[in-house]
Amino acid sequence: TQLLEQSPQFLSIQEGENLTVYCNSSSVFSSLQWYRQEPGEGPVLLVTVVTGGEVKKLKRLTFQFGDARKDSSLHITAAQPGDTGLYLCAGLTYNQGGKLIFGQGTELSVKP
Amino acid sequence: KAGVTQTPRYLIKTRGQQVTLSCSPISGHRSVSWYQQTPGQGLQFLFEYFSETQRNKGNFPGRFSGRQFSNSRSEMNVSTLELGDSALYLCASRIQGPNTEAFFGQGTRLTVV
Repeated sequence: TQLLEQSPQFLSIQEGENLTVYCNSSSVFSSLQWYRQEPGEGPVLLVTVVTGGEVKKLKRLTFQFGDARKDSSLHITAAQPGDTGLYLCAGLTYNQGGKLIFGQGTELSVKP
Repeated sequence: KAGVTQTPRYLIKTRGQQVTLSCSPISGHRSVSWYQQTPGQGLQFLFEYFSETQRNKGNFPGRFSGRQFSNSRSEMNVSTLELGDSALYLCASRIQGPNTEAFFGQGTRLTVV
């Protein structure tokens, strides 16, 4: 069974703080995606990382794919209340078509 | 361009009943996947369809089934509902292959009582 372990599950921080969310697996992924989900909505894609060691930046969000393509991290700088939401990592494996394997999610709350 | 449309948004059913959920993908998208989201298990893959053919299936009992029509619309059916089937069911569409972006619908919230 392929698993993606995401941590932490819950994070409550003050506005302006930095944070990092981790996704780890023993499996190799062809690509890894990060989503954000608001209550009552479906997940929305933030970024896809494909190459081992790849780093992508999206404003205050920095995404990294591990060299071995088994892990990834999301770092948010100077968090804002608008960053509040559920963050999900999801991996695509070889030979399994479009099947996404999701981490458990990180519930982030940023207090003003 | 319209997004992925799932109907109904909310559903309450009784144990033992069956239910059919519908997903209309983005126009031009040929791939549809279904996921179940629960607080305990997170998002779990149910199945994937491409051009009316099931391309992949997750580890769910046979009570869960699906199909895709020639216009790419998809339905999933759950028979003999159990309390544990209460979940948010999400549909995602892709224009084609697995390396293209997946767009999710808002989901159908199913409650089994």
